Amino acid sequence: RKEVEQDPGPFNVPEGATVAFNCTYSNSASQSFFWYRQDCRKEPKLLMSVYSSGNEDGRFTAQLNRASQYISLLIRDSKLSDSATYLCVVNSAGGSYIPTFGRGTSLIVHP
Amino acid sequence: DVKVTQSSRYLVKRTGEKVFLECVQDMDHENMFWYRQDPGLGLRLIYFSYDVKMKEKGDIPEGYSVSREKKERFSLILESASTNQTSMYLCATTGSGDQPQHFGDGTRLSIL
Repeated sequence: RKEVEQDPGPFNVPEGATVAFNCTYSNSASQSFFWYRQDCRKEPKLLMSVYSSGNEDGRFTAQLNRASQYISLLIRDSKLSDSATYLCVVNSAGGSYIPTFGRGTSLIVHP
Repeated sequence: DVKVTQSSRYLVKRTGEKVFLECVQDMDHENMFWYRQDPGLGLRLIYFSYDVKMKEKGDIPEGYSVSREKKERFSLILESASTNQTSMYLCATTGSGDQPQHFGDGTRLSIL
């Protein structure tokens, strides 16, 4: 399976800031993409799917760039509660279905 | 809402013991997965199953086996527990290949 790479961070930002993470993937046959949020010592939870046309959910915007093979997550007006690790996940087409996880990007939002 | 239930949140076992971790899902999903997660290493796939009685090795199957006798239940077995199997174990499930995974709460396993 091909790799999915993320900058581990930590990204240390003040409340109210805008922060963006990228995630690159190497398998051009990848079909579906997701961002998960994981709090310390908890399980990953789905934050949002990533669609080809880009999609927004409140303060969060996800985008896909197939030509350059990366997905991005933008968080506007950061809150203290956004502090977590953000994992990108890439599902590849064909054969057995196995998602590939990045190792995560750590975000710390401070007062 | 998908519910994935892992049998224990915390478990302490001794070296050499046979350990069973259970995972049950209520959404009739075909695909189920077992991962372990260690600091700095991310999620690593141990085994997965895409149907009853079917199983496939993931990236790190050594020292583990699995059982899928019923669609809703996927068990991870540590045949003879060792200290390097101390970790957070996560079960996940999904329906079709283009859908996201849903995770259980995780089992924090310590092998003494």
